[in-house]
Amino acid sequence: AQSVAQPEDQVNVAEGNPLTVKCTYSVSGNPYLFWYVQYPNRGLQFLLKYITGDNLVKGSYGFEAEFNKSQTSFHLKKPSALVSDSALYFCAVSSREGYQKVTFGTGTKLQVIP
Amino acid sequence: DGGITQSPKYLFRKEGQNVTLSCEQNLNHDAMYWYRQDPGQGLRLIYYSQIVNDFQKGDIAEGYSVSREKKESFPLTVTSAQKNPTAFYLCASSIGRLPETQYFGPGTRLLVL
Repeated sequence: AQSVAQPEDQVNVAEGNPLTVKCTYSVSGNPYLFWYVQYPNRGLQFLLKYITGDNLVKGSYGFEAEFNKSQTSFHLKKPSALVSDSALYFCAVSSREGYQKVTFGTGTKLQVIP
Repeated sequence: DGGITQSPKYLFRKEGQNVTLSCEQNLNHDAMYWYRQDPGQGLRLIYYSQIVNDFQKGDIAEGYSVSREKKESFPLTVTSAQKNPTAFYLCASSIGRLPETQYFGPGTRLLVL
């Protein structure tokens, strides 16, 4: 069975500092990895995804994520955090094996402090 | 505008009552999904449908039912058998081809009276 772990329930970072939100995964075969963001009482919005190729993926709003196969990780990063980045972030995984069910992590709340 | 709509935004259920949550998409997507979101538990898959007139149970289907009579619509019924229905319900759709980027609706919050 596939799974996703987001080890931090909350990450606090000062505005202007770099941020990292961690994600590790377990899946059979080659993974497809996603990051989504959720603002309060809203649906999820797609940020970026890794399918194949370059391990560094760039997405919306200046976010990027690095795929590390040996560490089975897909951490979300941004060089300079904004207060408006404060939200709930979800990592998700699927694979080519069987039906492409997407498994979500439990989410990490990012708080950017002015 | 293209997108996914969910209605109502808030829904109240009485004991023993079935309620239906609406989900409509005009993205021409083949696949549609229902998730339940509880604090600290992330998103859990209730049902999904890859094509019209076909749907499959997800991880937590007990107490829920769905139909997929039209490509655009995927309503979810929360039955009286679901003993803990209070949650935020999210509908999503995807093209249906790999890799699956999912597009989410704004959600429906279900509360029990």
